[in-house]
Amino acid sequence: GENVEQHPSTLSVQEGDSAVIKCTYSDSASNYFPWYKQELGKRPQLIIDIRSNVGEKKDQRIAVTLNKTAKHFSLHITETQPEDSAVYFCAASRGGNFGNEKLTFGTGTRLTIIP
Amino acid sequence: SAVISQKPSRDICQRGTSLTIQCQVDSQVTMMFWYRQQPGQSLTLIATANQGSEATYESGFVIDKFPISRPNLTFSTLTVSNLSPEDSSIYLCSVAGQGTTEAFFGQGTRLTVV
Repeated sequence: GENVEQHPSTLSVQEGDSAVIKCTYSDSASNYFPWYKQELGKRPQLIIDIRSNVGEKKDQRIAVTLNKTAKHFSLHITETQPEDSAVYFCAASRGGNFGNEKLTFGTGTRLTIIP
Repeated sequence: SAVISQKPSRDICQRGTSLTIQCQVDSQVTMMFWYRQQPGQSLTLIATANQGSEATYESGFVIDKFPISRPNLTFSTLTVSNLSPEDSSIYLCSVAGQGTTEAFFGQGTRLTVV
């Protein structure tokens, strides 16, 4: 089955600096790669996702890049703010139609923004 | 999008008993997914519930311990049976929104076994 590795497990950055979180996956059939943010005591929420036919996607301060050959994808957060502090999870799935495929999650990164 | 109502939000149970968790979705969905999130850990898929058929369990999870019901396209239950302290965790249900692969989660059930 799919195996998703995520690094680093913890990350502290100064407010205003950039943060990068990296994931690798093992299943070459995976084609959908979402990133979730989970604040303390809350449910995970999707912040950005990318499909395997796209190399990069950006949404304001957040971007995701995908290297299919290397089976590697990364989350980039620029101009970090205190409210970015949370645990971030990458995930991978075979996509499919209407979300009928399971997600395999990475181990998570606890991001702390230092004011 | 999809709105999921999950209950209970938390419970404290005696070892050896069982807890049943309910998830109600505001739209019809084909698949519902049940995850476990141990303290400070990632989400691990327990099983996938498809209406009208047996749930599909992931390696390390068995039906006797985690029976699942899926009576219709908007509702599912997960039972955690014969509880032990190692079952203390957060349990989350998840579905994909209509016409999308985005996964939405219930608010989670925090289970403490004493």
